[in-house]
Amino acid sequence: AQKVTQAQTEISVVEKEDVTLDCVYETRDTTYYLFWYKQPPSGELVFLIRRNSFDEQNEISGRYSWNFQKSTSSFNFTITASQVVDSAVYFCALSEAHRDDKIIFGKGTRLHILP
Amino acid sequence: SAVISQKPSRDICQRGTSLTIQCQVDSQVTMMFWYRQQPGQSLTLIATANQGSEATYESGFVIDKFPISRPNLTFSTLTVSNMSPEDSSIYLCSVEAGNEQFFGPGTRLTVL
Repeated sequence: AQKVTQAQTEISVVEKEDVTLDCVYETRDTTYYLFWYKQPPSGELVFLIRRNSFDEQNEISGRYSWNFQKSTSSFNFTITASQVVDSAVYFCALSEAHRDDKIIFGKGTRLHILP
Repeated sequence: SAVISQKPSRDICQRGTSLTIQCQVDSQVTMMFWYRQQPGQSLTLIATANQGSEATYESGFVIDKFPISRPNLTFSTLTVSNMSPEDSSIYLCSVEAGNEQFFGPGTRLTVL
C-alpha cells in the first residue's frame, strides 16, 4: 500500500530559525517519485520539488534543502533561516510509476513562522 | 510547464443541485487528475481522466456522484452531483508536464 506520513501536524518557530519538516513514506515499488508542495494561506499549491527513487542526492535550493534517505524511507525538508513568508501548510507526496503517476498526499504540516 | 485555469473559482450552491467545474490546460496532456481538499484537510485523489476513455475512480468515489468528461487533450470537466453540505471542498485539477505536477487554482465549493 502506498502511504505518506507527516507526523508533525503543526510547528511554530521564530523567524530566522531553521526548521525541518519530516516525511516518511511506504511503497512496494522500486520506481517512485516524492514531492513537496507548499500551500500558503491564499490556497494555491506551489510545487517545490520532485525526486525520483533512484536519485538519493540531497538537494539544495536557496534556503530550502531536502534529505532523501531510502534506508529509512524518509524525505525530509529543511528551511534555513526561516522567514514569515514561509508560513504555510507543507505537503509531502508520493507517486508510483505503475500507478499512472497518481499523487498521494500526506496530511500536511502547518508551519507558523513567528516574527 | 503547464498553466491550468479552472472555472468557476468559487460557488455557493443549494443542496440537491449539481455543479460542473471546468479545467483548461495551456498544453496537451495525456492524463488529468481531479482532487478534493476538504476544509483543513489534505488533498484526496478523486479520479484520473484520460482522453478518449472513461475516467478511473479511486476508492470511495463513484461516477454517478462525480461524472467526468475529457473531450480533448487540454480540457476536462468534473461534475459534483446531487450536492450535500459534505461536498463543500476545494476541487483541484492537476496535470503532469515535464518533471513537475501542476495544480490548478482550485474551485472553492460551498453547499448550503
